[in-house]
Amino acid sequence: RKEVEQDPGPFNVPEGATVAFNCTYSNSASQSFFWYRQDCRKEPKLLMSVYSSGNEDGRFTAQLNRASQYISLLIRDSKLSDSATYLCVLDTGRRALTFGSGTRLQVQP
Amino acid sequence: DVKVTQSSRYLVKRTGEKVFLECVQDMDHENMFWYRQDPGLGLRLIYFSYDVKMKEKGDIPEGYSVSREKKERFSLILESASTNQTSMYLCASSGGTGGGANVLTFGAGSRLTVL
Repeated sequence: RKEVEQDPGPFNVPEGATVAFNCTYSNSASQSFFWYRQDCRKEPKLLMSVYSSGNEDGRFTAQLNRASQYISLLIRDSKLSDSATYLCVLDTGRRALTFGSGTRLQVQP
Repeated sequence: DVKVTQSSRYLVKRTGEKVFLECVQDMDHENMFWYRQDPGLGLRLIYFSYDVKMKEKGDIPEGYSVSREKKERFSLILESASTNQTSMYLCASSGGTGGGANVLTFGAGSRLTVL
């Protein structure tokens, strides 16, 4: 079983829509959680950290459910520029991050 | 801005050749990483280093080695390239051991094709 599982998508949504991605993880020792964003043919970049209490950054909301071992990312009022692959990322305590294979989002005009 | 520079964007090599992928960062980061990225498999960790001359195996170290002689430089070596090592290779760095260690800055990637 993969350490991090994501629905690969693609999620095709119209501009202005709300879209949510989930990610499940198998290592209960995972300590920190993140969402990275990767644009087509570009390198990944940190989008946001995910805190136990949930956190928001503008149109983006991240949630962590330790009991069920999943994290989520909600994007409100989608923009064309949100089109990218969203990577679920964990720190399992070994000083290197573990990446999911990503969920592709395509926002349509 | 932190910059991570990978020496080659595109390489084409033949089976059995020795391949060097170079990565340099300019922000005095302690931690450096090599990942490969393949469709459907995501980023997989090959090796990482948290200090000069230190190295740790990642999830898929077989067929690779690394060198970190200076803090700013982390090299990935394919001793004898094989076709299944055709991939996008991504170098990254981060600073410290706390929360900052989880903020990776990636290079633009090196796409290697082994014929």
